[in-house]
Amino acid sequence: QKEVEQDPGPLSVPEGAIVSLNCTYSNSAFQYFMWYRQYSRKGPELLMYTYSSGNKEDGRFTAQVDKSSKYISLFIRDSQPSDSATYLCAMSLWAGNMLTFGGGTRLMVKP
Amino acid sequence: SQTIHQWPATLVQPVGSPLSLECTVEGTSNPNLYWYRQAAGRGLQLLFYSVGIGQISSEVPQNLSASRPQDRQFILSSKKLLLSDSGFYLCACRGAGQPQHFGDGTRLSIL
Repeated sequence: QKEVEQDPGPLSVPEGAIVSLNCTYSNSAFQYFMWYRQYSRKGPELLMYTYSSGNKEDGRFTAQVDKSSKYISLFIRDSQPSDSATYLCAMSLWAGNMLTFGGGTRLMVKP
Repeated sequence: SQTIHQWPATLVQPVGSPLSLECTVEGTSNPNLYWYRQAAGRGLQLLFYSVGIGQISSEVPQNLSASRPQDRQFILSSKKLLLSDSGFYLCACRGAGQPQHFGDGTRLSIL
């Protein structure tokens, strides 16, 4: 079993839909959680960075962490075709620690 | 904010040839630096990381090596490339108290 599991997709949604992307993990000691967006042939771009449990909102993006369930989510409201990309979750034990990545979910938002 | 420069963006090399990929960072001092490889449709594999000049840790045995001759310069090398070295190579940087950021990568094809 991988330490971080992420459905590879592809996830196809119509423009304007609410998108939910998820990761589950097995190590309950993880405390820092990140979401990266990766466009084709580009490096991952940091979208959200959260510590411990709770929600964090940034524009159309909301990151949610449920440590009791070992489950994190990224919600995208009013999805746009420009949101089409691969989304990678990542987590670490402490701020300076190595990141453990999920395999990424490919999202396609159709006009 | 941190800026990560990687070059070249694309590289085609014959089997058995040497390799040198360079990564330089701006906007931070004494960062942790990382080299990852991303195979097509697969997740990120950490190859090397460095916490300071001349300090290199390798995560997996392989045909590659890394060096850090200056605080904000990280080099990935090989003396003789193998077909299996093909992939998307990403440099990443983490400044003190900051999350990890990535460069735009080098796509390496071995013929």
